[in-house]
Amino acid sequence: DVKVTQSSRYLVKRTGEKVFLECVQDMDHENMFWYRQDPGLGLRLIYFSYDVKMKEKGDIPEGYSVSREKKERFSLILESASTNQTSMYLCASSLRGSGNTIYFGEGSWLTVV
Amino acid sequence: AQSVTQLDSQVPVFEEAPVELRCNYSSSVSVYLFWYVQYPNQGLQLLLKYLSGSTLVKGINGFEAEFNKSQTSFHLRKPSVHISDTAEYFCAVSDLSRQAGTALIFGKGTTLSVSS
Repeated sequence: DVKVTQSSRYLVKRTGEKVFLECVQDMDHENMFWYRQDPGLGLRLIYFSYDVKMKEKGDIPEGYSVSREKKERFSLILESASTNQTSMYLCASSLRGSGNTIYFGEGSWLTVV
Repeated sequence: AQSVTQLDSQVPVFEEAPVELRCNYSSSVSVYLFWYVQYPNQGLQLLLKYLSGSTLVKGINGFEAEFNKSQTSFHLRKPSVHISDTAEYFCAVSDLSRQAGTALIFGKGTTLSVSS
């Protein structure tokens, strides 16, 4: 069965902290994604990776960076967390190419205080 | 750039009634279209997708959607809903003109509330 695993479901961090959100997929997918979900705004793409060490900015990359050192793992980094980054973060993966089903993890709820 | 509009933020219906969740996208260029469902405290799950071929697409849990190119719409329908269909539904489009074309652009979501 398809599996995208996000390491932490709930996190509370302080303003200014460096935050790592980890995601692992076991399907040998080339593409991996980080989305942010906020009420009334839907899902917005933060970053996208189509191969190891390759990344593309999404629609809201400011304040975030990513790392993909291994095919199965895609990390989202908040260099200096701020309260406006309090949100639900969703990791996803898919096979290379358009039209392929994107599989989502269960999400990480991040609260920045 | 592509955008997706879900015309209703909330849709309340009674059990066994039919439902339609509306979705429009902005561009007439080639796109792939998707509907995802999110149950409380869970990630998103694919309901159905349109890539090409028949404009009527059938998905899981009795849902179907119709692609209408002239109206740039992809509305989701179910003839008879159950309490368990209560969830948030997202329409999404794959913008093939983008570098990150395999990434999906999502609408803001429609909350379907089914009551008895």
